[in-house]
Amino acid sequence: KAGVTQTPRYLIKTRGQQVTLSCSPISGHRSVSWYQQTPGQGLQFLFEYFSETQRNKGNFPGRFSGRQFSNSRSEMNVSTLELGDSALYLCASSLGSVSSGRETQYFGPGTRLLVL
Amino acid sequence: KNQVEQSPQSLIILEGKNCTLQCNYTVSPFSNLRWYKQDTGRGPVSLTIMTFSENTKSNGRYTATLDADTKQSSLHITASQLSDSASYICVVTTLHNAGNNRKLIWGLGTSLAVNP
Repeated sequence: KAGVTQTPRYLIKTRGQQVTLSCSPISGHRSVSWYQQTPGQGLQFLFEYFSETQRNKGNFPGRFSGRQFSNSRSEMNVSTLELGDSALYLCASSLGSVSSGRETQYFGPGTRLLVL
Repeated sequence: KNQVEQSPQSLIILEGKNCTLQCNYTVSPFSNLRWYKQDTGRGPVSLTIMTFSENTKSNGRYTATLDADTKQSSLHITASQLSDSASYICVVTTLHNAGNNRKLIWGLGTSLAVNP
């Protein structure tokens, strides 16, 4: 069974631009979560989508948004990019919602975003 | 405040040696604790998950322990190999709100380097 895939793997943008990242979960998984990872902050939870509905949201500004399609694929969008948005963005999928506390998340390789 | 603290921040050991990584948490209420391994350039991979009633859980050369009374967990790696070089992240699950949702509290990780 194929793992979680993320595209693109690397991205360079300038301040003020917007970016869209894509995540394809493991086949059959209905939950997709997004995380931002930086050296000083570790993994920071952005949001979780389950069956096309946002289930949970972290403490990020409204510039960060996402959506999930009927095939469980998910996209994350960041508008008006700031230098501080440079990070590794990880996507994780699971069979059920992470909110249950019992699900094991399977992570993709991430998209490394550099904002200049 | 719910926090997960890991120590040491980084560790260098020789191949074949054992090592122990620490995770202390102030998360309450407690649901479960997981250890993840994250290789450079990849997403985290789940190693173990322990609930309140479990004291020890093994996964090959990895053994995790949990003391729910002192709110401490450790990850012991036996007979280390070069491929063990990675970041090891401790994650504690707690209740998110008055409902049935859980929230994951991520530690910053311990960076382990195994040298030949």
